[in-house]
Amino acid sequence: DAGVIQSPRHEVTEMGQEVTLRCKPISGHNSLFWYRQTMMRGLELLIYFNNNVPIDDSGMPEDRFSAKMPNASFSTLKIQPSEPRDSAVYFCASSLPAGAGTQYFGPGTRLLVL
Amino acid sequence: DAKTTQPTSMDCAEGRAANLPCNHSTISGNEYVYWYRQIHSQGPQYIIHGLKNNETNEMASLIITEDRKSSTLILPHATLRDTAVYYCIVRVPEWDMRFGAGTRLTVKP
Repeated sequence: DAGVIQSPRHEVTEMGQEVTLRCKPISGHNSLFWYRQTMMRGLELLIYFNNNVPIDDSGMPEDRFSAKMPNASFSTLKIQPSEPRDSAVYFCASSLPAGAGTQYFGPGTRLLVL
Repeated sequence: DAKTTQPTSMDCAEGRAANLPCNHSTISGNEYVYWYRQIHSQGPQYIIHGLKNNETNEMASLIITEDRKSSTLILPHATLRDTAVYYCIVRVPEWDMRFGAGTRLTVKP
């Protein structure tokens, strides 16, 4: 099993540009999570999908952030427009149906907004 | 959510057992104890979890006290590659997993 796949691994962009982060969950997992990690705030849950449906997006910082899961094998996290304070490592994780609990994380996307 | 308290940092000699404590005095009856670790620049890695009984897998052992107010993660023979931040998380097995600051374990030769 390839595990959770994220792309790109590194992204450098300028303030105001649109950024799209991508995630492919582990096959058979139907729960998907987006996290953000910074030195100041640690690991924060942004949004959670179950069966491709967003269940809770209360962690999404503001309207500039949006996430989609068009099918069971793909999700995107989009930031438009990006700001320097969005610089962080963004992790995607997946798990079996809610109740089993164990989340498996991808390698992360390191985003730098100049 | 039950909160956890972990030491900020710990050292361990290579080849010795690493015992990482976690206090979770407000844990509820249906909340599990999960342990993850994060090696520098990598995504968090699942280690082990338990509810009441002690658990063991190929990576570690989890000892949960009888009153469930604290637990200890044991790495039986620590190696340099076990140097990481270790997170103790208490949760119902649902989506809401909140990471604290964790314990930074340094394994020294």
